[in-house]
Amino acid sequence: EPEVTQTPSHQVTQMGQEVILRCVPISNHLYFYWYRQILGQKVEFLVSFYNNEISEKSEIFDDQFSVERPDGSNFTLKIRSTKLEDSAMYFCASGQGSHQPQHFGDGTRLSIL
Amino acid sequence: AQRVTQPEKLLSVFKGAPVELKCNYSYSGSPELFWYVQYSRQRLQLLLRHISRESIKGFTADLNKGETSFHLKKPFAQEEDSAMYYCALTKGGTSYGKLTFGQGTILTVHP
Repeated sequence: EPEVTQTPSHQVTQMGQEVILRCVPISNHLYFYWYRQILGQKVEFLVSFYNNEISEKSEIFDDQFSVERPDGSNFTLKIRSTKLEDSAMYFCASGQGSHQPQHFGDGTRLSIL
Repeated sequence: AQRVTQPEKLLSVFKGAPVELKCNYSYSGSPELFWYVQYSRQRLQLLLRHISRESIKGFTADLNKGETSFHLKKPFAQEEDSAMYYCALTKGGTSYGKLTFGQGTILTVHP
């Protein structure tokens, strides 16, 4: 069964550095999402992406964040200048349609030092 | 704004006992409700959605619009049901599928 894959599984970065989290969605899916989960808190929506543009974003997704689908298969989340509070598990998800079930990756644990 | 509340952070039952994981939501429109499950060291995966009205692994959930609830039930819990369960909501109608999650409930089924 096809799966969403995320790399790396764990990323450790110094505060202020840029970080790129990578995701390969399921190949025939058209809707892509990033969520994050700070330790002990709920899973929070960050951004949705459709037709090569952001379709919705949360208030968390400020100017430090950006997403890109550079080559038709990868879907990346970039944090330009990381802060301690960016430490979290980041989940990528994809779906065939906006109301189709979303399939999640295993997540990338981001630790900011 | 939409919100999902799962009042129980932890729920413990014995094998064979009935289990109910509570979920309440607030949203002014017509939402779509989901239950996602995360087994130990596995990814989040869809368990069921209210529009399918199906039973998966013996679990059912009924959307009660009057009580704004979507409780997950199973009449006889099994040890392999032990996992983290998340209730989630997305706006019906025109939307891009953003999911709003509850805090999650850790279910432990004892032998």
